[in-house]
Amino acid sequence: GENVEQHPSTLSVQEGDSAVIKCTYSDSASNYFPWYKQELGKRPQLIIDIRSNVGEKKDQRIAVTLNKTAKHFSLHITETQPEDSAVYFCAASTGGYQKVTFGIGTKLQVIP
Amino acid sequence: NAGVTQTPKFQVLKTGQSMTLQCAQDMNHNSMYWYRQDPGMGLRLIYYSASEGTTDKGEVPNGYNVSRLNKREFSLRLESAAPSQTSVYFCASSDGNWNTEAFFGQGTRLTVV
Repeated sequence: GENVEQHPSTLSVQEGDSAVIKCTYSDSASNYFPWYKQELGKRPQLIIDIRSNVGEKKDQRIAVTLNKTAKHFSLHITETQPEDSAVYFCAASTGGYQKVTFGIGTKLQVIP
Repeated sequence: NAGVTQTPKFQVLKTGQSMTLQCAQDMNHNSMYWYRQDPGMGLRLIYYSASEGTTDKGEVPNGYNVSRLNKREFSLRLESAAPSQTSVYFCASSDGNWNTEAFFGQGTRLTVV
């Protein structure tokens, strides 16, 4: 089955700096790659996703890149703010019945 | 629009007791899932239901059973709770098609003593 590796497990940045979280996947058939943000004590919520026919996607301060050849994808957050502090999960799916495999999560701390 | 609703939010069980976690979604989604979240382990899939009438094992199914009662409801049952099942449980749903965002419930924090 699919295996998704995510790193780093923890990341501290100064407010205003950029943060990058990287993930690799094993199943070359995976074609959908969402990123979820989970604030402390809350439910995970989708913040951005990318499909295999796209190399990069941006939404304001957040961007995701995908390298299908290398089977890795990354989340980039620019101009970080304290409210970006949360745990971020990457995931990969082969589509169809939507069985999604998650990474272990990255705890991002933005220091004011 | 409530989205995905889980009950209960908190539960303490004694070893060997049984309980059922309830989940309902009002988004007419085809697929529903149960995950457990443990520190340093991310979200691990317990069981999923691709569509009404079907269920399949995920990554960590041992000690659990599920029922897809209808399109809206997907329950998770612990027949004989063990301390290793102490975790936060999340139910989720998605439409099962190309638009594949998964929507999560608020979670159930379960402690088995």
